[in-house]
Amino acid sequence: SQTIHQWPATLVQPVGSPLSLECTVEGTSNPNLYWYRQAAGRGLQLLFYSVGIGQISSEVPQNLSASRPQDRQFILSSKKLLLSDSGFYLCAWRGGHTGEYEQYFGPGTRLTVT
Amino acid sequence: GDSVTQMEGPVTLSEEAFLTINCTYTATGYPSLFWYVQYPGEGLQLLLKATKADDKGSNKGFEATYRKETTSFHLEKGSVQVSDSAVYFCALISSGSARQLTFGSGTQLTVLP
Repeated sequence: SQTIHQWPATLVQPVGSPLSLECTVEGTSNPNLYWYRQAAGRGLQLLFYSVGIGQISSEVPQNLSASRPQDRQFILSSKKLLLSDSGFYLCAWRGGHTGEYEQYFGPGTRLTVT
Repeated sequence: GDSVTQMEGPVTLSEEAFLTINCTYTATGYPSLFWYVQYPGEGLQLLLKATKADDKGSNKGFEATYRKETTSFHLEKGSVQVSDSAVYFCALISSGSARQLTFGSGTQLTVLP
């Protein structure tokens, strides 16, 4: 069966510091991968998605970036965090085959920028 | 573009009460529809789905029917439990959205004993 991991689970970082969040998927190959952010009490915002290694699409211009160095690894980064970057970050995957549209989410990383 | 509208929360019910969370959508083509649930401090879990008109998705006592004529996908449960307390998200994927999920804003449900 497929599983998705995210780490760290929680993170407290000062403004201006760098960020690296990691997501890995097991039990599938060539998945589509997604990064979402969920601000407190609000819905989900799609940040990035990737259909393959090195292929990243950005949905919202901001100081975050994403990379996919391996088939089942997706990384969210920032060079300098802002207070507004605080939130709950969720990674998700879905199969790359036609007809497989539902996405499966990881446990999330709660980021607090102080 | 695609959009999903959910009833405003929070919703507070007593245990064993009947639950309805309304969801309507606007989409191009023939979307697939989903309900996700998020328990406190956790990621989202797929609760149920329906991929074509008149399909009924069901799981853990929850049901939702894909109504194309009313563009709706309301979530229902006949008897809620305290453990159902969570945030519920309605979502869709349509043929015109590059297969990306479009989420509603979420509805917070609290079930009291």
